[in-house]
Amino acid sequence: DTEVTQTPKHLVMGMTNKKSLKCEQHMGHRAMYWYKQKAKKPPELMFVYSYEKLSINESVPSRFSPECPNSSLLNLHLHALQPEDSALYLCASSTSGGAIGELFFGEGSRLTVL
Amino acid sequence: DQQVKQNSPSLSVQEGRISILNCDYTNSMFDYFLWYKKYPAEGPTFLISISSIKDKNEDGRFTVFLNKSAKHLSLHIVPSQPGDSAVYFCAASGASGTYKYIFGTGTRLKVLA
Repeated sequence: DTEVTQTPKHLVMGMTNKKSLKCEQHMGHRAMYWYKQKAKKPPELMFVYSYEKLSINESVPSRFSPECPNSSLLNLHLHALQPEDSALYLCASSTSGGAIGELFFGEGSRLTVL
Repeated sequence: DQQVKQNSPSLSVQEGRISILNCDYTNSMFDYFLWYKKYPAEGPTFLISISSIKDKNEDGRFTVFLNKSAKHLSLHIVPSQPGDSAVYFCAASGASGTYKYIFGTGTRLKVLA
């Protein structure tokens, strides 16, 4: 199984809503990532979890709250988002303990904030 | 400050010919480089990687060249096929112990039949 599965594929939410994006991998990877990608831009790193602990937070606003319940799951909790947060949110995982190794990406969750 | 740049936003190539996609970086601490391909509405798919101890890595139709002194890498696709039409991102990462992969701005490749 070489897949990273993200749900939902599409999400529309209002600025007062609370929602969550979910990500799952069963490759035994111990590093998991959230990236944000706007149209015609490269993926931008948001968070990295290593061995279920948050190791990198790229100064992301607190309205985005990551959670890693176990080594296979990664959530991104969303609350009080702004329209400019509309983007494709990509989850990824990697096997290695450092930066050497490929990232496996999910198909992404396309978020629209009204 | 864009540490990884792909200066050509788009490239058109005839089917069967060579596609050359370029990537420049500014951070000399980067020591591992990857190329990803992305179709619309899908996540990026890993293509090929190269470590800074090498200057070339080949996998089937895909070859990546690394010129450390110029801080430049390129992806060659030979022969190009219509199914290769996608956006290609290069990515770079630093010394072992970090998890930061920095992506370039992307090049949209169109292979004409």
